[in-house]
Amino acid sequence: EVQLVESGGDLVQPGGSLRLSCAASGFAFSGSAMSWVRQAPGKGLEWVSTINGDNDRAYYADSVKGRFTLSRDTSNNTLSLQMNSLRVDDTAVYYCARSSSWDPWGQGTVVTVSS
Amino acid sequence: DVLMTQSPLSLPVTLGQPASISCRSSQSLLHSDGNTYLNWFQQRPGQSPRRLIYRVSNRDSGVPDRFSGSGSGTDFTLKISRVEAEDVGVYFCMQGTHWPPITFGQGTRLEIK
Repeated sequence: EVQLVESGGDLVQPGGSLRLSCAASGFAFSGSAMSWVRQAPGKGLEWVSTINGDNDRAYYADSVKGRFTLSRDTSNNTLSLQMNSLRVDDTAVYYCARSSSWDPWGQGTVVTVSS
Repeated sequence: DVLMTQSPLSLPVTLGQPASISCRSSQSLLHSDGNTYLNWFQQRPGQSPRRLIYRVSNRDSGVPDRFSGSGSGTDFTLKISRVEAEDVGVYFCMQGTHWPPITFGQGTRLEIK
């Protein structure tokens, strides 16, 4: 079964850091483009970052560029999003998705940035 | 950035009746490789998004055939031929032709009248 399971969401103060993980199974993780998409409470979907399947080059939304870093570990099929200098408006459910097909999506992990 | 504009944002529908959602992009989504990277997603209450339609009109496996996608260039439509109770949720269009950034429509909330 193709599956993605996110973890790492938490309550953090503004200016703090958090590392999200996405465990992948059931498909060829190393060759797949992978992305993070977030959804603020009651809002729509916002693309955050994508890592290419062929060269592992990462791309970022302007809103997170310079603060977030996307990487993958093919030895344990894990996608990671390092989030630094967190702001209140980063509060959201963060989903990882296999973006080579935009299927599947994980169940999401909640990040709350508040003092 | 490509702006994706959906309408309507709220869609009350009677069970068994058809529904239609429009998605317009600020520039053509026809890629130089000949494909149009326009997807439709469904997000049921409390669930993660699920892709329904890819490249304008291709239904994903397991998606009922009452769902159909059409369009070209900058103008796209998702149609449900006969709405069922399980179709309640929010529907998003997404473009992957001109990225980064990948951009989504605002979402259309479908409810049963």
